[in-house]
Amino acid sequence: NAGVTQTPKFRILKIGQSMTLQCTQDMNHNYMYWYRQDPGMGLKLIYYSVGAGITDKGEVPNGYNVSRSTTEDFPLRLELAAPSQTSVYFCATQGYGQPQHFGDGTRLSIL
Amino acid sequence: EDQVTQSPEALRLQEGESSSLNCSYTVSGLRGLFWYRQDPGKGPEFLFTLYSAGEEKEKERLKATLTKKESFLHITAPKPEDSATYLCAVTGGSSASKIIFGSGTRLSIRP
Repeated sequence: NAGVTQTPKFRILKIGQSMTLQCTQDMNHNYMYWYRQDPGMGLKLIYYSVGAGITDKGEVPNGYNVSRSTTEDFPLRLELAAPSQTSVYFCATQGYGQPQHFGDGTRLSIL
Repeated sequence: EDQVTQSPEALRLQEGESSSLNCSYTVSGLRGLFWYRQDPGKGPEFLFTLYSAGEEKEKERLKATLTKKESFLHITAPKPEDSATYLCAVTGGSSASKIIFGSGTRLSIRP
């Protein structure tokens, strides 16, 4: 039982490049979330999904896109990477009435 | 606006020196308050959920309490392995489908 798996663990991008951060879960949770965490700061919600085919914006969605074609997967896409997107990205899942469970994050640097 | 404020930002204690971390929140219709522990390079790990004022939860050296305006995480006789960042989060009101995180308290326990 892997829980929440994020790939890659580390990535360095050049300004203007694009990439997809992968998140997959085997907990059969309907709710999935993407957060970013900047040094010394709390978690900021980027996008979330309440089930396959349904996504919605969080607090800081600009510059990102998501899709949710299956219950298991919730990829986060960065288009035209900018230095302000340098951060640690966490994916989380949640069952109804349950606390959130987090992956170990993707550390992304934009140079 | 729903908001979570944690204090202090950082706390250094001697092994065995008990203390408390504070989480003040502003949310209408609190559905749940969560405490998480986050180790360096890892995702947040769930500790407790509190649902109503007066509720208390305990786990080893940690005890979480809740009032209508704030929550405390009491640490009794801490050990160096308790060193981590402790995050508080709430759900409810306008953020019923989302969780609002505080910026955390970095706890360091010296042997």
